[in-house]
Amino acid sequence: EDKVVQSPLSLVVHEGDTVTLNCSYEVTNFRSLLWYKQEKKAPTFLFMLTSSGIEKKSGRLSSILDKKELFSILNITATQTGDSAIYLCAVAKSNFGNEKLTFGTGTRLTIIP
Amino acid sequence: EAQVTQNPRYLITVTGKKLTVTCSQNMNHEYMSWYRQDPGLGLRQIYYSMNVEVTDKGDVPEGYKVSRKEKRNFPLILESPSPNQTSLYFCASSLEGYYNSPLHFGNGTRLTVT
Repeated sequence: EDKVVQSPLSLVVHEGDTVTLNCSYEVTNFRSLLWYKQEKKAPTFLFMLTSSGIEKKSGRLSSILDKKELFSILNITATQTGDSAIYLCAVAKSNFGNEKLTFGTGTRLTIIP
Repeated sequence: EAQVTQNPRYLITVTGKKLTVTCSQNMNHEYMSWYRQDPGLGLRQIYYSMNVEVTDKGDVPEGYKVSRKEKRNFPLILESPSPNQTSLYFCASSLEGYYNSPLHFGNGTRLTVT
């Protein structure tokens, strides 16, 4: 059975701190790993990772994938209150045309001013 | 503006009364999908569609139906809703399948079945 496990479940830090969110997975026929940010409503796309060791960066956020150890991390530096959200990790697989995307349960990040 | 539009945003209904949640996208995306989000369980896929007239089951399809008669629309139908279908539902679309292009989500429909 496919599994995507995120840790920690919840994290509370002060503004300006750096945080690292983790996502480990067990999925056959891996295609890509995606990170989403969910505030009050719809998840919004952050990163798509397909290759090991290549860091993707967007402002204060960065992410990297390790396909050998089957995990990814999402780093946020100099956190701001606007970073408070649930961060979702999802892994995509393809098996003879049967497309599947499995989400983790998310990490709830709270930034205290 | 490129978007995925779901309606209604909130819906309270009674057990057994058929309902439809509509989903429409204006980005000419081929791939569309429905998810439900429950505390502690994350987002789970209900049904997806790779293109017009092509639909397939996700992880939790029981009690739901979908159709894809046109590229832009992908309605979710609950023929006989039950309380265990109380959840937050998201429709999503992507250009050519989510492993090549990211999903764009609608703003969600919060359904309560009493």
